[in-house]
Amino acid sequence: AQRVTQPEKLLSVFKGAPVELKCNYSYSGSPELFWYVQYSRQRLQLLLRHISRESIKGFTADLNKGETSFHLKKPFAQEEDSAMYYCALKRGGNTPLVFGKGTRLSVIA
Amino acid sequence: EPEVTQTPSHQVTQMGQEVILRCVPISNHLYFYWYRQILGQKVEFLVSFYNNEISEKSEIFDDQFSVERPDGSNFTLKIRSTKLEDSAMYFCASRTGQVNTEAFFGQGTRLTVV
Repeated sequence: AQRVTQPEKLLSVFKGAPVELKCNYSYSGSPELFWYVQYSRQRLQLLLRHISRESIKGFTADLNKGETSFHLKKPFAQEEDSAMYYCALKRGGNTPLVFGKGTRLSVIA
Repeated sequence: EPEVTQTPSHQVTQMGQEVILRCVPISNHLYFYWYRQILGQKVEFLVSFYNNEISEKSEIFDDQFSVERPDGSNFTLKIRSTKLEDSAMYFCASRTGQVNTEAFFGQGTRLTVV
């Protein structure tokens, strides 16, 4: 079975400080990994996926197969980054997403 | 930009009653999903639907649950006889089905069973 673990329920950082939201997964195959974000009173939306290797809103995430991790990083946090962040895994194709419990990021001015 | 829409945004129902949660996926999408999130817990997969049939379901999706695409646009989740533990946020999502495309989520329906 697949599992996604986000060890931090809440992460508070000061504006301008670096951010790292941790995500570890367990899956015996080759997963697709995603980060979804949910801003206050808004819907879940895709932030980035490992396959694209892109930076969105200054965030990056690298898939580390050896450590089975997909941590989300940003060098300088902004107040508008405050949101719930969910790491998710997909087996591939049109299979459903398996989510972690989420981490609430709070960026303090 | 097209969006997945869900109605109602909040539903309160008595235990034992039937509820139908409605979703309108994005029009050219072919794969549809229902997820739920009990307060304080993770988002959990319930069921996926493609070509007018269930393609995958989780162990949560028991005989009390059913899904339907009655008219080619709506995608509904029915809970036959609600229990207190069905109280949760229910999210609908849809995808085109093309490789490397994302799932788009609705804003959710908060179901409260009293």
